[in-house]
Amino acid sequence: NAGVTQTPKFQVLKTGQSMTLQCAQDMNHNSMYWYRQDPGMGLRLIYYSASEGTTDKGEVPNGYNVSRLNKREFSLRLESAAPSQTSVYFCASSGYSALGEQYFGPGTRLTVT
Amino acid sequence: DAKTTQPPSMDCAEGRAANLPCNHSTISGNEYVYWYRQIHSQGPQYIIHGLKNNETNEMASLIITEDRKSSTLILPHATLRDTAVYYCIVRANFGNEKLTFGTGTRLTIIP
Repeated sequence: NAGVTQTPKFQVLKTGQSMTLQCAQDMNHNSMYWYRQDPGMGLRLIYYSASEGTTDKGEVPNGYNVSRLNKREFSLRLESAAPSQTSVYFCASSGYSALGEQYFGPGTRLTVT
Repeated sequence: DAKTTQPPSMDCAEGRAANLPCNHSTISGNEYVYWYRQIHSQGPQYIIHGLKNNETNEMASLIITEDRKSSTLILPHATLRDTAVYYCIVRANFGNEKLTFGTGTRLTIIP
C-alpha cells in the first residue's frame, strides 16, 4: 500500500514548455486534489476532483488543467510554463467518510526558468 | 472556510509538552477543527480533528474551548522529530470539503 505517489519528484522547465504531473492513489479514495506551495507559504488549492469524472477549480487554477483519468489517477498539466509556476506541487486524496482527512503525496519540485 | 490565527513560531524543549494555540472566532456550527503538520517540505500529515469535544489519539490531544472560538493542539512529550509547521484548519465535514491552509506555526523542538 503505497498511499499517494507523484511523478516526477523534480523537474526543470524552460518558459513556454509544457508538462504533466502525475498522481496516483491506491486507497480507493473518491476525491483527489492538487495544491501548490510557494516558499514560506501555506498550500493553495489548484484543482480538485470530488469523484471520478468531475473536476472543479480551486483557489489558483489559472495556467493549469487537470484530468481525472480514473478513480486512481489525477494529473495536472501546465500547457505553457511560466516562472510564476515555480513551486512545490502536492497531490492529495480523501475518502468519502466522516473523518475526511486528506493523505498527501511527497510532492513535485518544479522550477521554471 | 472560517479563518484561523496561529502564532508564526514557537519553541519547546524536548520531552516537554508542546501546546500550539489556534484562534477561530468565526467558526460556524457545522465546522470542525483539523490539525495537520508538515515536516521539512514533505507532504502534510493529518494529526487530529474535532467538533466540540476534546479528542485524543496516538499522536496528540485536541482541546476545544466551550465556545469553540479557539483550540489547542497538545503534543504530550515532544521529540526532535516533531519539529514541523503545524496548520490549524476549520472546515465543514460533509462531502469532501477542501482544506484551506494558512501559514501555520513553525514548532522547533530544542534538545
